[in-house]
Amino acid sequence: KQEVTQIPAALSVPEGENLVLNCSFTDSAIYNLQWFRQDPGKGLTSLLLIQSSQREQTSGRLNASLDKSSGRSTLYIAASQPGDSATYLCAVQANFNKFYFGSGTKLNVKP
Amino acid sequence: EAQVTQNPRYLITVTGKKLTVTCSQNMNHEYMSWYRQDPGLGLRQIYYSMNVEVTDKGDVPEGYKVSRKEKRNFPLILESPSPNQTSLYFCASSLTGELFFGEGSRLTVL
Repeated sequence: KQEVTQIPAALSVPEGENLVLNCSFTDSAIYNLQWFRQDPGKGLTSLLLIQSSQREQTSGRLNASLDKSSGRSTLYIAASQPGDSATYLCAVQANFNKFYFGSGTKLNVKP
Repeated sequence: EAQVTQNPRYLITVTGKKLTVTCSQNMNHEYMSWYRQDPGLGLRQIYYSMNVEVTDKGDVPEGYKVSRKEKRNFPLILESPSPNQTSLYFCASSLTGELFFGEGSRLTVL
């Protein structure tokens, strides 16, 4: 069974800092990997989707990379802002029907 | 606006009282699924549906039922809720592997 791990569980940084969130998975046979943002009491908002054949995706200040062979993905956030404070989750699509999620990294960006 | 809508958003009920959480999507997605989110355990899949009349169990299906009579709707049914089903529930849909989530339904079973 696929296992997805996110480290660290929590992260606090000053505003303006560049930061990296990590996601690792145990089985490299994935369809894609998706990064989400979750605000307290809210649903998950899709940030980036990386297909298994891709190495990275970018959206604004966000850049996600995927290394299938090593079972790792990173989410890079440039010039962090207080509005980036949220929990960030990664999920892998293990087959056509199954998605597995990490427990998330809770990010706090201090003004 | 493309969205996944869940109702109710919040519910407090008592053990054994049947309840249904509705989920509807307006994106014509074939795939829909239900997850529960618990502290320290992340999101776990309860049931999923590949299309109308096609449903299957996820990783934690015990105590839940689903139906998919129309493409847009995928209700989650708790026939006899128990306190261990207190959780935050999410419905999601997908067409090409990208998941779109509802806002969540926080359920408390006393």
